[in-house]
Amino acid sequence: GQQVMQIPQYQHVQEGEDFTTYCNSSTTLSNIQWYKQRPGGHPVFLIQLVKSGEVKKQKRLTFQFGEAKKNSSLHITATQTTDVGTYFCAVPITGGGNKLTFGTGTQLKVEL
Amino acid sequence: NAGVTQTPKFQVLKTGQSMTLQCAQDMNHEYMSWYRQDPGMGLRLIHYSVGAGITDQGEVPNGYNVSRSTTEDFPLRLLSAAPSQTSVYFCASSYSGDSYNSPLHFGNGTRLTVT
Repeated sequence: GQQVMQIPQYQHVQEGEDFTTYCNSSTTLSNIQWYKQRPGGHPVFLIQLVKSGEVKKQKRLTFQFGEAKKNSSLHITATQTTDVGTYFCAVPITGGGNKLTFGTGTQLKVEL
Repeated sequence: NAGVTQTPKFQVLKTGQSMTLQCAQDMNHEYMSWYRQDPGMGLRLIHYSVGAGITDQGEVPNGYNVSRSTTEDFPLRLLSAAPSQTSVYFCASSYSGDSYNSPLHFGNGTRLTVT
């Protein structure tokens, strides 16, 4: 089935440093979604990217979809303690519908 | 607006016991699904439904049953619990069965331990 690799698995930063997580697929994607899960919480939808080369921003978060629609990244500028959590990418499972395969996630820890 | 409601929040079972995890949504969403989350493995799809009366298997369906008799409810049944089913279970719904512009809304999860 559809698989997506997400790196790194963990990232430990000082508050104010930048952070980036990457998702890579071996196949062309129709779209990619990003979710955030706070410790002890549930995944919460952040954004969806659909177009080749698309870039979307949400305050300090920048999301990119690769030109070949096989990879994506989430970049956080000047991290804050509120950014702590695990960030997942999710892609549609081949066969249609809203079935999503989730990456293994990148756990972000932010130190003061 | 409650969104997606899961019960119970925590459950401990003995091997061989059965139980039902409840999931209800009040957003009139067509699509509902169950995921399990294990450390280092992300979220894996167990079963899903594109509407009342329709269910299908996801990536890891063995040991689980589902039904969708109403739009609102999508219970997950463990027929004979095994320690390998120790996990956090999330129910998620979306407006449609199309991945475009139809993000998943997750419940708060059920933490299940099987001894």
